[in-house]
This record gives sequence, C-alpha cells and structure tokens, in this order.
Amino acid sequence: EVQLVESGGGLVKPGGSLRLSCAVSSVTVSVAWVSWVRQAPGKGLEWVGRIKSKTDGGTAQYAAPVKGRFTISRDDSENTVHLQMNSLRSEDTAVYYCTTDDFWDGVRWLRFGDYWGQGTLVTVSS
Amino acid sequence: QSVLTQPPSASETPGQRVTISCSGSSSNIGSYTVNWYQQLPGTAPKLLIYSDYRRPSGVPDRFSGSKSGTSASLAISGLQSEDEADYYCATWDDSLDGRVFGGGTKLTVL
Repeated sequence: EVQLVESGGGLVKPGGSLRLSCAVSSVTVSVAWVSWVRQAPGKGLEWVGRIKSKTDGGTAQYAAPVKGRFTISRDDSENTVHLQMNSLRSEDTAVYYCTTDDFWDGVRWLRFGDYWGQGTLVTVSS
Repeated sequence: QSVLTQPPSASETPGQRVTISCSGSSSNIGSYTVNWYQQLPGTAPKLLIYSDYRRPSGVPDRFSGSKSGTSASLAISGLQSEDEADYYCATWDDSLDGRVFGGGTKLTVL
C-alpha cells in the first residue's frame, strides 16, 4: 500500500519561507508523479502544483497563485518530495496535502488522488 | 471563484438517490476526464470516481459517475448517513495548464 506522510508545517510570518516534505513509501519517487493540494480553513481544495517522474522529464508545474514563489523538488535518496514555499502570504494559510498524480509505477496505474498524506498545517501570520 | 461549478449544498433522506453536478468548459471537462473525491470532516480526500465513471477498488457501486459535454455528475444511490461529506470534482484545464477543482458540495443526509 502506498503511503505519503507530510511534515514541515508550522507558523511563519508573512514574507517568510517554509519547506514541506512528503515521504513516500511503496513507490519509488523517481517514477512517481506527485501533486500538492491545499485547503484553506473552511474552504475547498486547491491544486498547488506537481512534479513529473524523472523518466517523464522531472519538471514541475504550478498553479498561478504560487508560481514564482513555490518550488517542488524530489530527493530520490530519501524517496521524498519537497515543497519549498517562499514569500509567504496570509492567503497561503492552509492544510497542505501531497497526493499521487496519474502515473504507471511498473505494476499498476495510480490516479490523481489515489493516495493522500494526512496533511500538514501552514499558518502565515504576524 | 472555481473554474468548475458545483452546487454548494445538497440534501436527501436515507435510502434515496442524490446527484451532484459539476459544470465546466471546453478547456477542462470538455477535453479531459473527471475525478470525484469525498472528504469527511477533518480527513484527507478520498478518490471515489476516476476517468469519468470508473470506481477504485473498495468504492461501493452506490457511487457512479457520468459525463456529457462540459458537465459531469456524481450519483449516490441508497444514501447512508456515512455519506454525509463534502464532494469535489476535479480535472485538468488547458487554459490554466493545471488541475482544477470544483468548489465542493456539502451533502447532508436528512
């Protein structure tokens, strides 16, 4: 069973930075496409961005509200995906989830949202 | 304002059938498949339907999805109290070059 575990959330001041991590098990991160999704308090789901597998180019795509401020990367040695968040704003306050995106892991197809982490809360406030 | 439009709420009595709509455009639903998610309070979303109508293993066949043109629907039959949750549709959008979610529908089982 695929498992994703986020960490790194916390309280940060506006303009500050934070790095979230998503530890993945049962799937090699180098072949995985992983998305980040956030949910502001009392609000709906919002896609933040995703990173493609190494074999598919390894590049990342971002939603407009975070483009230029957030960076998604992968650490194959730790089987982890990171979300580096810079220039944080109050509107970035949310629970951040990592989730599988659509990809073939060599055995099965995984779909966007097949597996989710438990979420980590990021609060941007002075 | 979400790119995909869902009714903010829906309600029905146990045992009945409810349908939740998701309206989009040619740049999203009209061109890509739709997924549906269920989110119970305080928990991560769960994939209910993918590729418009397919169910992951373990999802009861009470849940079904359909799509026509630029709209998609999630139907839940034989409503149970545990179906009370928020439901979201999602797909890819060419104009935004990213994934998009509907605003979510809060389902109340009366």
